[in-house]
Amino acid sequence: AQSVTQLGSHVSVSEGALVLLRCNYSSSVPPYLFWYVQYPNQGLQLLLKYTSAATLVKGINGFEAEFKKSETSFHLTKPSAHMSDAAEYFCAVRGPPGGNEKLTFGTGTRLTIIP
Amino acid sequence: DTGVSQNPRHKITKRGQNVTFRCDPISEHNRLYWYRQTLGQGPEFLTYFQNEARLEKSRLLSDRFSAERPKGSFSTLEIQRTEQGDSAMYLCASSLTREQYFGPGTRLTVT
Repeated sequence: AQSVTQLGSHVSVSEGALVLLRCNYSSSVPPYLFWYVQYPNQGLQLLLKYTSAATLVKGINGFEAEFKKSETSFHLTKPSAHMSDAAEYFCAVRGPPGGNEKLTFGTGTRLTIIP
Repeated sequence: DTGVSQNPRHKITKRGQNVTFRCDPISEHNRLYWYRQTLGQGPEFLTYFQNEARLEKSRLLSDRFSAERPKGSFSTLEIQRTEQGDSAMYLCASSLTREQYFGPGTRLTVT
């Protein structure tokens, strides 16, 4: 079974500071990993994905994530936070093609930006 | 590419009533997923279609829930005899390859 753990249900950073949102996964096969962002009363928007190519993945809005197999981690970072980054962020894992296609999500991290 | 659409966006119903939600996936996407999200939680998988065939169903999907995808196009999710515990955001997603793209969701409130 696959699972995802997001450390820290709430993270606050000052505008312009580094954003670091943590995600650790558990998977018996090479995982496909995703970060999604959700604004209030909206669906989920795909930020970035890891699908076994480059371990450093760049996404939209200046976010990036690094896949570290030895640490089973896929942390999300952004060098300089912007007020518009305030939202809920979800890490998710999916099995490889031919297996279980569903996404298994973490419980989310709410990011607050301090002016 | 008009994105995934869901209707209605909000639904308030009384306990015991039946409700039906609709999802229109991105046109060329052959896979369609339903998830449920309760307050403060991540989305949880409910069921999954490839074209018109339903390939997997979560144990979260009780007998009161039924999902269809006629002709492999739009999908409907029906909840019969709603209960207060059914109150949640119901999300639909579609995919062609690895990524799933989500719609805006239908928020169900059962009073």
